[in-house]
Amino acid sequence: EAAVTQSPRNKVTVTGGNVTLSCRQTNSHNYMYWYRQDTGHGLRLIHYSYGAGNLQIGDVPDGYKATRTTQEDFFLLLELASPSQTSLYFCASSDTANTGQLYFGEGSKLTVL
Amino acid sequence: TQTVSQSDAHVTVFEGDSVELRCNYSYGGSIYLSWYIQHHGHGLQFLLKYYSGNPVVQGVNGFEAEFSKSDSSFHLRKASVHWSDSAVYFCAVRRGSALGRLHFGAGTQLIVIP
Repeated sequence: EAAVTQSPRNKVTVTGGNVTLSCRQTNSHNYMYWYRQDTGHGLRLIHYSYGAGNLQIGDVPDGYKATRTTQEDFFLLLELASPSQTSLYFCASSDTANTGQLYFGEGSKLTVL
Repeated sequence: TQTVSQSDAHVTVFEGDSVELRCNYSYGGSIYLSWYIQHHGHGLQFLLKYYSGNPVVQGVNGFEAEFSKSDSSFHLRKASVHWSDSAVYFCAVRRGSALGRLHFGAGTQLIVIP
């Protein structure tokens, strides 16, 4: 069974704070993704990567950085957090063929006060 | 711009009823279509997908979806729902050439009354 693990599961920070969300997958998948989920918007793609050292910009990248250090690990960085980044963040992975099947983590709830 | 539209934010049915959750997309070209389910407090789980071939695809737990090119739709159906099917359902679209760029609809919350 595919496994994607996110940490922390919950995080509270203040405006201007520095936050790192971590994701590890044990699926040997090449693709990894960061999405944010907000009511009324579904999931929106922030950044994604197709391998270690690679980064691709998604649809809502402003205010976010990401880094893929290994095939397994993908990090989302908020260097100056703002209240508009309060959201539920999901990491996902998929294989190279990427026929539409993503494997998701359980989510990280971020609150920016 | 590629869009995915799920016209119903909420659908409420009784256990044993049939249900159809609607998904329409706007994109001309080869696409991958899929449905995901999200139970409260959890991540999304894959239900089924379509790329080519038989327009009716079967998924897990009795779900099926039908692709219609003429209607630009990929509606999800189940003949007899169970209370455990209560969840949020997301339709997703990816262009054939856009590896990695999966676009999700806003989701439909299905409430099944026991």
